[in-house]
Amino acid sequence: GENVEQHPSTLSVQEGDSAVIKCTYSDSASNYFPWYKQELGKRPQLIIDIRSNVGEKKDQRIAVTLNKTAKHFSLHITETQPEDSAVYFCAATSGGYQKVTFGTGTKLQVIP
Amino acid sequence: GAVVSQHPSRVICKSGTSVKIECRSLDFQATTMFWYRQFPKKSLMLMATSNEGSKATYEQGVEKDKFLINHASLTLSTLTVTSAQPEDSSFYICSVGGETDTQYFGPGTRLTVL
Repeated sequence: GENVEQHPSTLSVQEGDSAVIKCTYSDSASNYFPWYKQELGKRPQLIIDIRSNVGEKKDQRIAVTLNKTAKHFSLHITETQPEDSAVYFCAATSGGYQKVTFGTGTKLQVIP
Repeated sequence: GAVVSQHPSRVICKSGTSVKIECRSLDFQATTMFWYRQFPKKSLMLMATSNEGSKATYEQGVEKDKFLINHASLTLSTLTVTSAQPEDSSFYICSVGGETDTQYFGPGTRLTVL
């Protein structure tokens, strides 16, 4: 089955700096890679996703890159703000009807 | 995206009782739903895949007789924790999957077993 590793487990940055979270996956059949933000006690919220036919995707301050050959993908947050503080999960799946395998999570703290 | 609700949002029960958690897809006919469990400061761990009209598929290590799943309609899946014990205390979240790749999560149910 799929195995997703995520690093780092915790990340502290100053407000305005950039944050990068990295993930690797093992199953070459995975072709969809969503990133979720989860605040304490809340449901995971999709913030950005990328499909295997694309190498990079950007949405305002958030970007995701995918290296399908190396089986790794990364989340980049620029100009971080205190409200970006949360736990971020990467994930991998081979489709909407298929199970999603989550990474172990990164607790991001943005220091004002 | 799909709107997913869960009920109850929070439940406290005594050891040995059974607890039923409902997951509803409010605007999407969901042939497939997923049930996850999340312990504090941990990731989401898939428990089972719920398929409408057929038996659920359980992940390795998840007891199917303890965590009963019923997906009787395209809008409702239920998870029943039977004879709940303190170690079953967790955050249970369902998600809806479909033709698009994105899965949408319910708000979660926090179960506390005394």
